[in-house]
Order: sequence, then C-alpha cells, then structure tokens
Amino acid sequence: EPEVTQTPSHQVTQMGQEVILRCVPISNHLYFYWYRQILGQKVEFLVSFYNNEISEKSEIFDDQFSVERPDGSNFTLKIRSTKLEDSAMYFCASSVLAGEVAGELFFGEGSRLTVL
Amino acid sequence: AQKITQTQPGMFVQEKEAVTLDCTYDTSDPSYGLFWYKQPSSGEMIFLIYQGSYDQQNATEGRYSLNFQKARKSANLVISASQLGDSAMYFCAMTPSGGGNKLTFGTGTQLKVEL
Repeated sequence: EPEVTQTPSHQVTQMGQEVILRCVPISNHLYFYWYRQILGQKVEFLVSFYNNEISEKSEIFDDQFSVERPDGSNFTLKIRSTKLEDSAMYFCASSVLAGEVAGELFFGEGSRLTVL
Repeated sequence: AQKITQTQPGMFVQEKEAVTLDCTYDTSDPSYGLFWYKQPSSGEMIFLIYQGSYDQQNATEGRYSLNFQKARKSANLVISASQLGDSAMYFCAMTPSGGGNKLTFGTGTQLKVEL
C-alpha cells in the first residue's frame, strides 16, 4: 500500500541551527501538508502546498519556516534557526483531493525534532 | 473558526466490548468534513474514518463507525469488538468547506483496552 515516508525519524539539534525535514508524499497526490504535535498536545496545522506554492499557512508558520518541493518527489520543511519551542513531532501528509469536500489525508510516521 | 471538543481524556474498555469516543464540533460552515485518526504509542497518525457533512448515511469502515448527529454537532466514533491493538490515542478532526485538508484537531482520547 502506498505510504508517505519521512526522514529523519528523529533529529536532535542545537538551538539556532537550521533543520530540514524531508517527506516523500504518495506519488499521485497533489496536495501536501505539514502538521506538528508538541509532546502531549494536539496536532496543529502548519502549511498546505499545492501546485508548487503555499495555499494556506497558520500563524505558527512564521518567517523561520519554509517549504519546498525541490523535485518531483520530495517535499521539505526547513526551519532556519531553531528555537526550543520548535521541539515537536512534525507530520507530513498528502492527499489527492482538497476541494469542497476534503479527501482522505495520509500522514507519514512523523519526524521527531528535539532542540537543545 | 472551527473547534473540536473531545471531553474524554481517557477511556477503558474490556476486550470484545464496544466503545464510543465522543466528539463535538463547532463551525459556521455549511459543509465540512469530519475525521477520526488513531495514534498508537509509536506516534504515527492512522486514518480511520471520514464523514462528509452532507452524507446521508453514517460512515462505516470495518469495526469503526461514525455516529453523526448533525443537529447536535456530534461525530462520535464507535469501535465494535475492541481488540488489545486498539489501545491508542484517538483524535477527532474537521476541515472547513473549501478549506482543503486544513484539519483542526481535538485534544484526543486515550483508549485502553483491557483483557
């Protein structure tokens, strides 16, 4: 069964360092997302991406964050200068549909980011 | 703005029994989608079931069914014949009309299935 894959599964970084989280969405999907979940809290939307541009972003997604689809398969989330509060599980997701009636959203297994 | 409320932080159920996980929502959108996800201790998010607001029938997927009561703005998840492997965190979520898959999640319910 096709799946969304994420790397790395866990990354530890020093505060102020740049981090890139990578995702390979399901191949025929058109919409891509990043969500995050701070430990013990609910999952929060960060950004959605369609047709090579951001379609929507939350207030969490400030100038420190960026997303890119550098080639036909990868979808990346970059955090320019990490802060302690960026420590969280980051989920990539993809879907075929995203219009009037939302389609099924497939999540990856998550990348756990720990900022020291 | 949309809001999802899950009032049960933790639930216990005996193996082979049915369990209902509560979810209420608030939205002013005329159409929307409702989801349930399972998050085992390993951390991944597993899609369980989807209900569109205009769907006439309650969604079912194997042992999962969604008890959708639109007038009460509730979308409870019913798991029949609970199994030990059902022990996990369960999240209710919704998307707005035309809002794609920008999900708003609830705080989750931790389900523990006991022998």
